[in-house]
Amino acid sequence: SQKIEQNSEALNIQEGKTATLTCNYTNYSPAYLQWYRQDPGRGPVFLLLIRENEKEKRKERLKVTFDTTLKQSLFHITASQPADSATYLCAGPPDSGNTPLVFGKGTRLSVIA
Amino acid sequence: EPEVTQTPSHQVTQMGQEVILRCVPISNHLYFYWYRQILGQKVEFLVSFYNNEISEKSEIFDDQFSVERPDGSNFTLKIRSTKLEDSAMYFCASSPQRGTVYNEQFFGPGTRLTVL
Repeated sequence: SQKIEQNSEALNIQEGKTATLTCNYTNYSPAYLQWYRQDPGRGPVFLLLIRENEKEKRKERLKVTFDTTLKQSLFHITASQPADSATYLCAGPPDSGNTPLVFGKGTRLSVIA
Repeated sequence: EPEVTQTPSHQVTQMGQEVILRCVPISNHLYFYWYRQILGQKVEFLVSFYNNEISEKSEIFDDQFSVERPDGSNFTLKIRSTKLEDSAMYFCASSPQRGTVYNEQFFGPGTRLTVL
């Protein structure tokens, strides 16, 4: 069955550096991937979507890439700030149908001042 | 900015009791969802709802669960006889009108359900 995996549970990074989070997918070819931010005790908040035919997408300090050869999406936060500390979730469409999202477990990012 | 709201924020119940979790999706959205997240685990899909009926549901969404849109604004999830393993955060989400192929979803803040 399809899997979306975020293999790093946690990432600690110094303020000002670039954080890079990884999302791998197996057993299917998603038409898109989405990235969400989740703060403790809160719902996921949509950040970015990248389609399979797009190599890269940017929004302010955020950049997402989609590599169909490596079956991977990378999520970058440049000039990271303590306020960026949160769990970041990768999500994609299901095997069939379109409406529910399949989420990875998330990577907890801590930006240290 | 419009947002999805959920009530209550925290619900404590005894095993075997019925609970109803409430959501008000964003007003011009047509697709509605329930997800749950057990502490420390992935966000898992439960059910999607469109045009006043369930469009998809997961294996988790068994006969103990039901959803309803009782009026033009509310969307509810009912668990008939709660079990200890139903303890989780329950998130409601909505997405805009049909034709949004890429399915950006807007999540509510969640209801923390604790079953004792």
